[in-house]
Amino acid sequence: DIQMTQSPSSLSASIGDRVTITCRASQSISTYLNWYQQKPGKAPKLLIYAASSLQSGVPSRFSGSGSGTDFTLTISSLQPEDFATYYCQQSYSTPPMYTFGQGTKLEIK
Amino acid sequence: QVHLQESGPGLVKSSGTLSLTCAVSGGSISSTDWWSWVRQPPGKGLEWIGEVYRSGSTTYNPSLKSRVTISVDKSKNQFSLKLNSVTAADTAVYYCARVTAVRTTLIFDPWGQGTLVTVSS
Repeated sequence: DIQMTQSPSSLSASIGDRVTITCRASQSISTYLNWYQQKPGKAPKLLIYAASSLQSGVPSRFSGSGSGTDFTLTISSLQPEDFATYYCQQSYSTPPMYTFGQGTKLEIK
Repeated sequence: QVHLQESGPGLVKSSGTLSLTCAVSGGSISSTDWWSWVRQPPGKGLEWIGEVYRSGSTTYNPSLKSRVTISVDKSKNQFSLKLNSVTAADTAVYYCARVTAVRTTLIFDPWGQGTLVTVSS
């Protein structure tokens, strides 16, 4: 199985900060990497697909980059509604064996 | 716009069978998408359980494969999950989600709201 490792596991930041979350795959996955945001008691919400494409309706302060094994999610200027847990997910495996990172909890400093 | 809604018992006895259904509205389960189940134990991360295609073809997480059955009911526009021989470790919020291809990748979108299933002894 392809393992996905996120860092950090938790992060404290202030409104207006620039934040970067990293996701590393245990083998190359090209750009088959998606990012989700999850708020308490809610289902995950797709933010970024194919490593760098912004899902419709997602604010442009969110961006993604990377390919191969190393990926980043960046929030350019944190807003109050961005405090949540973020997950990366790979869709490279064939037959499908989708795996998620362990999550990064973004908290208010 | 596709909307998914999970339903089923919130409490299952240990060694029993967990059964959930996901109703699809605003779209057809006979589309070219796959239909998945994902679970999240309390306070933990996301685990993919498996998926089903309109034809009934399935793919399962190897760690759960021996206990899982996912099926599709095109007449009711819904799909279902059965997990047998459950233990406390199967206590989780269970989500259904559509898996769709976008620009060569596969995304989970949308998701149902999730339903908490507790396994009791």
